Amino acid sequence: KNQVEQSPQSLIILEGKNCTLQCNYTVSPFSNLRWYKQDTGRGPVSLTIMTFSENTKSNGRYTATLDADTKQSSLHITASQLSDSASYICVVTMNTGFQKLVFGTGTRLLVSP
Amino acid sequence: SQTIHQWPATLVQPVGSPLSLECTVEGTSNPNLYWYRQAAGRGLQLLFYSVGIGQISSEVPQNLSASRPQDRQFILSSKKLLLSDSGFYLCAWIPSGTRQFFGPGTRLTVL
Repeated sequence: KNQVEQSPQSLIILEGKNCTLQCNYTVSPFSNLRWYKQDTGRGPVSLTIMTFSENTKSNGRYTATLDADTKQSSLHITASQLSDSASYICVVTMNTGFQKLVFGTGTRLLVSP
Repeated sequence: SQTIHQWPATLVQPVGSPLSLECTVEGTSNPNLYWYRQAAGRGLQLLFYSVGIGQISSEVPQNLSASRPQDRQFILSSKKLLLSDSGFYLCAWIPSGTRQFFGPGTRLTVL
């Protein structure tokens, strides 16, 4: 079954600290993996995208890694800010006739002052 | 530039009432369009996708239906809403695996 699992479900960190979110997937055939940031009541905003051959991708304070062998990805947030409080969703795109996205349930991050 | 519009932004409806959510896309033609639903505490679930006018594919059996009356318009409907239809509905345009655009979403509460 094509699934994307994320951990932890929720996380509280102090402003300025770093954190790492995890994503494991069992999606096949694999096309790419994205990390999205979703504020409550808003559509997801893409942070990073990685294809099969990419191991790491950075976007400012966000750094994503991908291990296609173990089917694991992580999103590392450096020097967290209050505005980082949101849900972070791992999404795997299947390489099918139409572009099917499999979404993780997300990690809810709260950055406290 | 490409833009996806959804309306309404929020909706509160009684059980048994009808539903119509609209999604329109600007800046492209013949887009592949998708409807997703996010229930509270759950991930986004694909409901319908459409590759062209009048072409609808359903991912899961449910109380909802979709229509594609125009090239850049995708409508999600229900004749009688259930409590379980509450959630956050997202329209997406996915021209390729590496390009994905989401609308702002509609928050539906069924009472």
